[in-house]
Amino acid sequence: GESVGLHLPTLSVQEGDNSIINCAYSNSASDYFIWYKQESGKGPQFIIDIRSNMDKRQGQRVTVLLNKTVKHLSLQIAATQPGDSAVYFCAEMEYGNKLVFGAGTILRVKS
Amino acid sequence: EPEVTQTPSHQVTQMGQEVILRCVPISNHLYFYWYRQILGQKVEFLVSFYNNEISEKSEIFDDQFSVERPDGSNFTLKIRSTKLEDSAMYFCASSNDRGDYTFGSGTRLTVV
Repeated sequence: GESVGLHLPTLSVQEGDNSIINCAYSNSASDYFIWYKQESGKGPQFIIDIRSNMDKRQGQRVTVLLNKTVKHLSLQIAATQPGDSAVYFCAEMEYGNKLVFGAGTILRVKS
Repeated sequence: EPEVTQTPSHQVTQMGQEVILRCVPISNHLYFYWYRQILGQKVEFLVSFYNNEISEKSEIFDDQFSVERPDGSNFTLKIRSTKLEDSAMYFCASSNDRGDYTFGSGTRLTVV
């Protein structure tokens, strides 16, 4: 989802369920994308990345899907845990290693 | 695991005052960055720095901002005359030539 002003979209999931967080990016020329997790009071923390020559990449409990046709990224978290509660940002890397971040999604995990 | 270290963690300053935010990037990284995050909003690029000069800067990075690498380990962001709207989290980051980034924990700047 997209955010306006101070309001970030929020995804609430039950512990143990799977989470899917979506992101739209803007630059069709971008070839490298990253998902970051940001906990309160901390900097962005790398979760997983994907290059534009791939559609899917899996890590430990996380999967990133890339749809270049519609410029869309998603992050799937399997068996969501309370420690996954955070704000999640997608980012695209532009020329010169500059990161352009998406609006962010708050993930709340209910125990 | 190597870290990017930022100091101070929180800085409160009067409007119009100069502030210097400090960062120690990862030692074998050659690319350095500053990003800003206004409360509740997304992270925004400010400036990138390589080979002792600015590589790219955003529209936010106006004449009130400057960066410096005064020695072999520190990377600083100076705001000459702070405005209320400069209140934000400022994140330093460094990367290797593959673009593998590490962010610091940030400095919360509050301008009063």
